[in-house]
Amino acid sequence: QVQLVQSGAEVKKPGASVKVSCKVSGYTLTELSMHWVRQAPGKGLEWMGGFDPEDGETIYAQKFQGRVTMTEDTSTDTAYMELSSLRSEDTAVYYCATGVGATGLDYWGQGTLVTVSS
Amino acid sequence: IQLTQSPSSLSASVGDRVTITCRASQGISSYLAWYQQKPGKAPKLLIYAASTLQSGVPSRFSGSGSGTDFTLTISSLQPEDFATYYCQQLNSYPRLTFGGGTKVEIK
Repeated sequence: QVQLVQSGAEVKKPGASVKVSCKVSGYTLTELSMHWVRQAPGKGLEWMGGFDPEDGETIYAQKFQGRVTMTEDTSTDTAYMELSSLRSEDTAVYYCATGVGATGLDYWGQGTLVTVSS
Repeated sequence: IQLTQSPSSLSASVGDRVTITCRASQGISSYLAWYQQKPGKAPKLLIYAASTLQSGVPSRFSGSGSGTDFTLTISSLQPEDFATYYCQQLNSYPRLTFGGGTKVEIK
């Protein structure tokens, strides 16, 4: 059984960066394809990016290109999502999630609230 | 690929049959999943491959469709089913898209 445990809530000022972690247990990170999804208050789910197992690269939603970086530390089975140049619209709960290929995301972290405020 | 869900919200009573639709902007074969999300919780995968029930999901949930038009049906709405439901396309995996969501409220 895969478990994903994310880092705690963050408060950041506009223009700053935030790095959210997602610790994997039950499997090794190399066995999974990790994705990141965010949800602004009262809004829907928004896919940010994920690992492409075909070529071993991470792909990002066009909206976040140039501002987001997703990395993995396989020695600690921890995935990271860093978002830079934060603005108030980035206030959201950020989730890591994974699953078995193109059959959906059936394991989710508990979410990390990132608040961007001056 | 864009996904359009309808309705965006609905009110229903316990025991009602509820149907939510999801339309894709282009054909996605059967690469569609449905999720349930309750307030303050992470989404939960209900159905994948348009009609395959995820393990542990009650049989009152069902999915159908292929190509561009899909449906999530709850045959007899239970109190624990009041939540927001999202469709997701995986045809362009790993590039994913979610629908806008359908909130199911108590009438």
